[in-house]
Amino acid sequence: ETGVTQSPTHLIKTRGQQVTLRCSSQSGHNTVSWYQQALGQGPQFIFQYYREEENGRGNFPPRFSGLQFPNYSSELNVNALELDDSALYLCASSLGSGRGTQYFGPGTRLLVL
Amino acid sequence: TQLLEQSPQFLSIQEGENLTVYCNSSSVFSSLQWYRQEPGEGPVLLVTVVTGGEVKKLKRLTFQFGDARKDSSLHITAAQPGDTGLYLCAGEWPGTYKYIFGTGTRLKVLA
Repeated sequence: ETGVTQSPTHLIKTRGQQVTLRCSSQSGHNTVSWYQQALGQGPQFIFQYYREEENGRGNFPPRFSGLQFPNYSSELNVNALELDDSALYLCASSLGSGRGTQYFGPGTRLLVL
Repeated sequence: TQLLEQSPQFLSIQEGENLTVYCNSSSVFSSLQWYRQEPGEGPVLLVTVVTGGEVKKLKRLTFQFGDARKDSSLHITAAQPGDTGLYLCAGEWPGTYKYIFGTGTRLKVLA
């Protein structure tokens, strides 16, 4: 059974640029949630995708957008990057949009200069 | 506004000591989860508590959900260096399946 994988592991961008982060969910899981974890803080919920549709969103601006593919892998896109977007971005997969156990990937560390 | 406050933020103890980490909120949650996160990795689920007053034990770790489902505690008995990590609580926002994470408690157990 393959776990949750994320790519790239690290990324450096400059302000105003756009970035795409990728997540492959655990085999058999149809739900992916994305979180932003700033240094020294707990993860903050960005949004969740269930069967290719957005299924809930946290307090993040529209420049944070996502996509889920038929194989349930997912992308997180961030436009017009700001310095405060520097963080660890985590994705978590689960089975069903309910209270299924979330399995987290190792994260992508994004630095915006 | 942080809905889930954890205390203490940092804790450094000697091997063999006991400790308790608290997770407090003024909001009611449908369930509450505890995770441990190590450097360079994502959080790993330790336990989910659902019922007010529920107590769950996982080897040397004891988790309790408050009667009003607003707070929780994690107690570690005879801590070991392998317990070192960032401990996170996460509350499930009622009716949404959205999890709000706490501020985290960074634990270091010295040999």
